[in-house]
Amino acid sequence: AQKVTQAQTEISVVEKEDVTLDCVYETRDTTYYLFWYKQPPSGELVFLIRRNSFDEQNEISGRYSWNFQKSTSSFNFTITASQVVDSAVYFCALSDPNFGNEKLTFGTGTRLTIIP
Amino acid sequence: DAGVTQSPTHLIKTRGQQVTLRCSPKSGHDTVSWYQQALGQGPQFIFQYYEEEERQRGNFPDRFSGHQFPNYSSELNVNALLLGDSALYLCASSLVQNYGYTFGSGTRLTVV
Repeated sequence: AQKVTQAQTEISVVEKEDVTLDCVYETRDTTYYLFWYKQPPSGELVFLIRRNSFDEQNEISGRYSWNFQKSTSSFNFTITASQVVDSAVYFCALSDPNFGNEKLTFGTGTRLTIIP
Repeated sequence: DAGVTQSPTHLIKTRGQQVTLRCSPKSGHDTVSWYQQALGQGPQFIFQYYEEEERQRGNFPDRFSGHQFPNYSSELNVNALLLGDSALYLCASSLVQNYGYTFGSGTRLTVV
């Protein structure tokens, strides 16, 4: 069975600090996709990134970066120079190839608060 | 370009009643998935519709059913509501096998 663990329930940092959100996943499949979503108070899930299991290159997008390590089944997310607008709940998710990769298993989320 | 639209935004129902939630997918998308997000939890997959048929289903009882219309919009129906059905119900649309979901803002259902 698939599982996604986000051990950090809540994190608070002062604005402009860097912060890393951890994600550890479990799967027996060799082909899958990993995702990060942001959920602001409005409720909608905002897509941040999708990573194929065969692509272990780290990715940077502006202040956001992702570190995918298949050896440790981790897909961590770092925000550099955090801003108040980054405050939200962040979810890591894993696709299920037994459902054609159309079904996502989400972690329980990390609530990030950026203190001005 | 409108994203995923869900209605209503909020809903209060009594135990035992039935409810219908609605979703209009993003323009150009043909697949709709429904997720249930309990308070403080991550979303859980209910089912997915493509070509007006249920294609995939998660671990939810038959009280949860759905429908997709020819214009790709979708409904989620829940019968015999339980207190535990109180949650945020999220609709996500995509192009089949594109793995790029767009989520709506959800319907907050409260069962009393």
